[in-house]
Amino acid sequence: SYELTQPSSVSVSPGQTARITCSGDMLPKKYARWFQQKAGQAPILLIYKDRERPSGIPERFSGSSSGTTVTLTISGAQVEDEADYYCYSAADNVEVFGGGTKLTVL
Amino acid sequence: EVQLLESGGGSVQPGGSLRLSCAASGFTFSAYAMNWVRQAPEKGLEWVSSISGSGSNTNYADSVKGRFSISRDNSRNTLYLQMNSLRGEDTAIYYCTKNDYLGGPDYWGQGTLVTVSS
Repeated sequence: SYELTQPSSVSVSPGQTARITCSGDMLPKKYARWFQQKAGQAPILLIYKDRERPSGIPERFSGSSSGTTVTLTISGAQVEDEADYYCYSAADNVEVFGGGTKLTVL
Repeated sequence: EVQLLESGGGSVQPGGSLRLSCAASGFTFSAYAMNWVRQAPEKGLEWVSSISGSGSNTNYADSVKGRFSISRDNSRNTLYLQMNSLRGEDTAIYYCTKNDYLGGPDYWGQGTLVTVSS
């Protein structure tokens, strides 16, 4: 079975750059997505196709890919960005989420 | 505007059954694959099942295979999840998600809570 591995937590001060990684053997061949989930809310799509941003998502959110790792970068993190972040990919009729990363901005 | 509204959650005893529904609007329902994704209390997201736009192709996570069944009624713009032989570890918020043209989730409903307990 496929797995995606994320750090359990990342902490930054407001205005700093936050980077959240996601590693998996499928990632060189399959696109990844990133979702943001704030407390008590449903997830929203932040990044698709490794680095594409849906309309309405702020430019400070960006995605990149290198080998078996994809990275979500939040440039100039704001207090409102404090949330859980999940990577996602799919292969062989199976869809997989990473374990999630709790971003603390304080 | 895409809207996904789940219903059918509730409390059930171990071994029992529930059927979840997801009413979709704001897009051509039959053109897109759909998923169920769940989240146990204080845990991460877990993909449960997916179904193609026509309903002819379905896939399941190993954890629910043989117990859960996904289906859709394109005339009613509604997605379903029939859950049988429920276990305590099935306790979770169940989200309905729409896939985009690339095949991954883009829109999510607000979720419905399923609690399996004696």
